[in-house]
Amino acid sequence: ELKVEQNPLFLSMQEGKNYTIYCNYSTTSDRLYWYRQDPGKSLESLFVLLSNGAVKQEGRLMASLDTKARLSTLHITAAVHDLSATYFCAVDRDSNYQLIWGAGTKLIIKP
Amino acid sequence: KAGVTQTPRYLIKTRGQQVTLSCSPISGHRSVSWYQQTPGQGLQFLFEYFSETQRNKGNFPGRFSGRQFSNSRSEMNVSTLELGDSALYLCASSLAIGIDRDAEAFFGQGTRLTVV
Repeated sequence: ELKVEQNPLFLSMQEGKNYTIYCNYSTTSDRLYWYRQDPGKSLESLFVLLSNGAVKQEGRLMASLDTKARLSTLHITAAVHDLSATYFCAVDRDSNYQLIWGAGTKLIIKP
Repeated sequence: KAGVTQTPRYLIKTRGQQVTLSCSPISGHRSVSWYQQTPGQGLQFLFEYFSETQRNKGNFPGRFSGRQFSNSRSEMNVSTLELGDSALYLCASSLAIGIDRDAEAFFGQGTRLTVV
């Protein structure tokens, strides 16, 4: 059974700091997704990572994938308050759009 | 271009009733997936449809069902509602034409179902 674990589950940090969210998964998988969710809102797609060594960056967020270690990271650089949200990773093992989700990381960035 | 549209946005139902939720995917997208989000269980996969065929189903009881129409719009139905069915139901659409770069899944705003 495919399991996806995120850590930390909660992160409070100051603006301007850097931090990393980790996403481990238990079996070989084809695709890894990162999403953002604001309170009471839907899921906003951030990144789709498709191959070992894939790295994608958008603004202050950068995601990477190591399929051999079954690990993806979401790195936040010089955090700003607007990045406060819950971040989810999800894995699609067989490329069949059946996403298995991590529990989410609630990120609070204090001014 | 219009995003994924889910209707209704909010719904209150009584135990034992049934409910139908609707999802209109992004134009041209062929795959529609449904997810349930609750504080206790997080996000869980319900089912996925492609070209009117259910390709995958999650670990939910038979009370949860769905279908997809020829225009790719999808509906999910929950019969004999239970209090535990209260959740945010999200649908996602994907282009899904076999090219990995089209694997991105876009979510609708969700339908918040409350069972009383």
